[in-house]
Amino acid sequence: QQPVQSPQAVILREGEDAVINCSSSKALYSVHWYRQKHGEAPVFLMILLKGGEQKGHDKISASFNEKKQQSSLYLTASQLSYSGTYFCGTVALSQGGSEKLVFGKGTKLTVNP
Amino acid sequence: SAVISQKPSRDICQRGTSLTIQCQVDSQVTMMFWYRQQPGQSLTLIATANQGSEATYESGFVIDKFPISRPNLTFSTLTVSNMSPEDSSIYLCSVAYGTGGEKLFFGSGTQLSVL
Repeated sequence: QQPVQSPQAVILREGEDAVINCSSSKALYSVHWYRQKHGEAPVFLMILLKGGEQKGHDKISASFNEKKQQSSLYLTASQLSYSGTYFCGTVALSQGGSEKLVFGKGTKLTVNP
Repeated sequence: SAVISQKPSRDICQRGTSLTIQCQVDSQVTMMFWYRQQPGQSLTLIATANQGSEATYESGFVIDKFPISRPNLTFSTLTVSNMSPEDSSIYLCSVAYGTGGEKLFFGSGTQLSVL
């Protein structure tokens, strides 16, 4: 049920690009992306909805292919502030019947000067 | 968005004791969520807390170990009972916002170390 993220870790130099992938074994209607900086709480980045739309947040964008049951997060011209762990999340049913977010294991991104 | 105050921010506890974590939200919310994040790991949902009803726990988590209170629409507590070193984790409360309640906002977390 947990989405699978790849790669586990990425090291970049400032200005380089990166792609983080998230895939699921079950049908997806949406994919959520969060970033967690060291010692801080996760912060919402964006939601990708069924329809293959690509959304953007600063120089961070993402795509969603529901047929392939996967999403990709694109970080363009990376900045030092992009460093952190990126989590994708997919919706599942909780024990109480409401929706819950199940997070992948995360991709640790390090941007060096 | 929501402002979520969580305390304590960190604590070091002895085996066998209990710790209560408090979460205060600056607006009324129907559901609050408690997550656990073990060192270097992902976030795992412990339970969902609705005001006026019993919290619902995810597989692997039980009320005796993680009792939750939700006395009103802006406040919740999570107690970690009879602690062991395996309970050392970051505990985060969270609320959902957005037109479909799709965006999660997290408290700053409680880093718990059990000796």
